[in-house]
Amino acid sequence: QSVLTQPPSVSGAPGQRVTISCTGSRSNIGAGYNVHWYQQLPGTAPKLLIYGNNNRPSGVPDRFSGSKSGTSASLAITGLQAEDEADYYCQSYDSSLSGPVVFGGGTKLTVL
Amino acid sequence: QVHLVESGGGVVQPGRSLRLSCGASGFIFSNSAMNWVRQAPGKGLDWVSVISFDGRNKYYAESVKGRFTISRDNSKNTLYLQMNSLRPEDTAVYYCARGYCSGSRCDGLHDSFDVWGQGTVVTVSS
Repeated sequence: QSVLTQPPSVSGAPGQRVTISCTGSRSNIGAGYNVHWYQQLPGTAPKLLIYGNNNRPSGVPDRFSGSKSGTSASLAITGLQAEDEADYYCQSYDSSLSGPVVFGGGTKLTVL
Repeated sequence: QVHLVESGGGVVQPGRSLRLSCGASGFIFSNSAMNWVRQAPGKGLDWVSVISFDGRNKYYAESVKGRFTISRDNSKNTLYLQMNSLRPEDTAVYYCARGYCSGSRCDGLHDSFDVWGQGTVVTVSS
C-alpha cells in the first residue's frame, strides 16, 4: 500500500487529454511538500517529467503539466500521443514513519 | 553528457552481501546528493537511500535501515550501496539517481531525481 495513491490505470485516445491523480495526506502533499512526476517507458529507467509541482525540465514537451491542491496533485497530458504510453509515478516527501521519500504506486497510461 | 552507470548486481543467497557501484560522468559529482531507488519485478518505484553531496548525511528507507549502507567517493565519482543480510524481498532492479534541489529545502530528501542510471539487477534466492 503506497503512501501516495494513484489510479492503477488510465486511458485515452490520441489527441485527447488525460489526468493522473496522486492523493496523499497531511504528512506529505498536504503539508506543502513538493511533488515530482516521472515517466517510465517499458524496459527503461524512469525519466523526470515534472519537478516542484509544476515545472518541466528542459526537453519535456509542454503537453505535460503538473498541479497541486490540498492533499492531492495531478499530472495532465494533452494532445495524447502513442509514445506517451508508459507508467507514471508521483513522488514527494513524507514526515511520517512511511517516509522520508515516497512514491505513488504508479499509473499505467494506455493510448487507445 | 551526463551519465550514471550501475554495476555489481547479481544472484545472491538470502543472508549474504552484495555491493553496488554507480559511476558518474558529465557533471560535478561532488556537488550533488545521490540516491538509490529500486524496482521489484512488475512493481513500482521504491526509494532506498540518499547521501548528501559531501557524504555527511545519509538517510534510509525503514525496510533497509540497519542492513544497507550508502557511501560515496567523490575522488572517484562513484556512489556505493553495501547490502548486507539480503532477503528475497530485496530482489529488484537498483537504480542510482542524482538529486536535484529546486526549492528551499536542499537536504536531499525533497529533491527530484533528474538523472538516472540504466539499473543493475539484484536477485536474492537460494
